[in-house]
Amino acid sequence: KQEVTQIPAALSVPEGENLVLNCSFTDSAIYNLQWFRQDPGKGLTSLLLIQSSQREQTSGRLNASLDKSSGRSTLYIAASQPGDSATYLCAVKGGNQFYFGTGTSLTVIP
Amino acid sequence: AAGVIQSPRHLIKEKRETATLKCYPIPRHDTVYWYQQGPGQDPQFLISFYEKMQSDKGSIPDRFSAQQFSDYHSELNMSSLELGDSALYFCASTELAGGQETQYFGPGTRLLVL
Repeated sequence: KQEVTQIPAALSVPEGENLVLNCSFTDSAIYNLQWFRQDPGKGLTSLLLIQSSQREQTSGRLNASLDKSSGRSTLYIAASQPGDSATYLCAVKGGNQFYFGTGTSLTVIP
Repeated sequence: AAGVIQSPRHLIKEKRETATLKCYPIPRHDTVYWYQQGPGQDPQFLISFYEKMQSDKGSIPDRFSAQQFSDYHSELNMSSLELGDSALYFCASTELAGGQETQYFGPGTRLLVL
């Protein structure tokens, strides 16, 4: 069974810093990997989708990379802002299911 | 743009009661996934449907059932509710475009079992 882990579980940074969130998965036979943002008590907002054949995707201040062979993905956030404070989840598609990571709770301090 | 719609947004039930959650996918999306997210937990996959047929099953209790209708909306039926069923229930619909499948999540239904 696919297991997805995110490190760190929580992260607190001052505004303006660049930061990296990590996602690792045990089974490299994935179709794609998706990064989401979740605000407290709210739904999931898709940030970036990386196909298994791709190495990275970029959207604004966000850049996600994928190394399928090592079972790792990173989400890079440049010039962090207080509005970036949320929980970030990665999910991998394997078979007919999406498997979610445990999430990283990010706090950006003004 | 249209998004995934879930109803109700909030639901309070008592133990042993039943509940029905509804999900309306984005138009032309043919796949629906249901997830359960307990407090402080990551979303757990329950069940999915493709073209009105169940395509995969996750950690869905036998007390729960679901189906997808001809208009592609889906309903999650939960019976004999237990306190532990209190959670946020998400549905997601997906579109396959250019070989890529992207999940779009609804706002969720928050179920509280008393």
